[in-house]
Amino acid sequence: QSVLTQPPSASGTPGQRVTISCSGSSSNIGSNDVYWYQQLPGTAPKLLIYRNNQRPSGVPDRFSGSKSGTSASLAISGLRSEDEADYYCAAWDDSLSVNWVFGGGTKLTVL
Amino acid sequence: QITLKESGPTLVKPTQTLTLTCTFSGFSLSASGVGVGWIRQPPGKALEWLALIYWDDDIRYSPSLNSRLTITKDTSKDQVVFTMTNMDPVDTATYYCAHSRRLHGGVGPTSYYFDDWGQGTLVTVSS
Repeated sequence: QSVLTQPPSASGTPGQRVTISCSGSSSNIGSNDVYWYQQLPGTAPKLLIYRNNQRPSGVPDRFSGSKSGTSASLAISGLRSEDEADYYCAAWDDSLSVNWVFGGGTKLTVL
Repeated sequence: QITLKESGPTLVKPTQTLTLTCTFSGFSLSASGVGVGWIRQPPGKALEWLALIYWDDDIRYSPSLNSRLTITKDTSKDQVVFTMTNMDPVDTATYYCAHSRRLHGGVGPTSYYFDDWGQGTLVTVSS
């Protein structure tokens, strides 16, 4: 069971806006930055969002991140078929030793 | 351009030790604010962080696997070596190495994150 909780699945139609949630606690999201990764089928994860809401160069502005308290969200607007992938949130956790934790992942289906 | 590539055995027997090498280019692990980590993903399952070695020789391990893991760096060869002892079939996974960078203005080990990843290597544990 993952330290960060994500819904196992999400879906939307082309052009829609979808959001994926990530719930944590005071020892991870509550006190550290959140990161989001996209994993297309059969490929390595790709960084989508860093420091809660920052996009690396090359990531479309259709992707946005936010954080509030011990939860975070990834929003994808103008949904495209190529957005169909697994999405993972991640953060440092200070509860034991310093520990990087991932969410369980959300499979996004574009209908 | 940063690139990383994992290499090592594709099949190991239970109780054996797994040794993987990450060979990278486009950065130096002796440069301030840089690290290399290992993350794995069992087939059809979520990502799991394993270890991270920083430019200043600081090392962090997953608490749940700490006793089985070792990570070292060879800056002259631009390589990071990862070992996991006492392998079990549940350790079957794709193992990724990833470049880690420090946030602008960040301080301490939790100011790093993973940006560029290798393609991964599938390791199967079976007798």
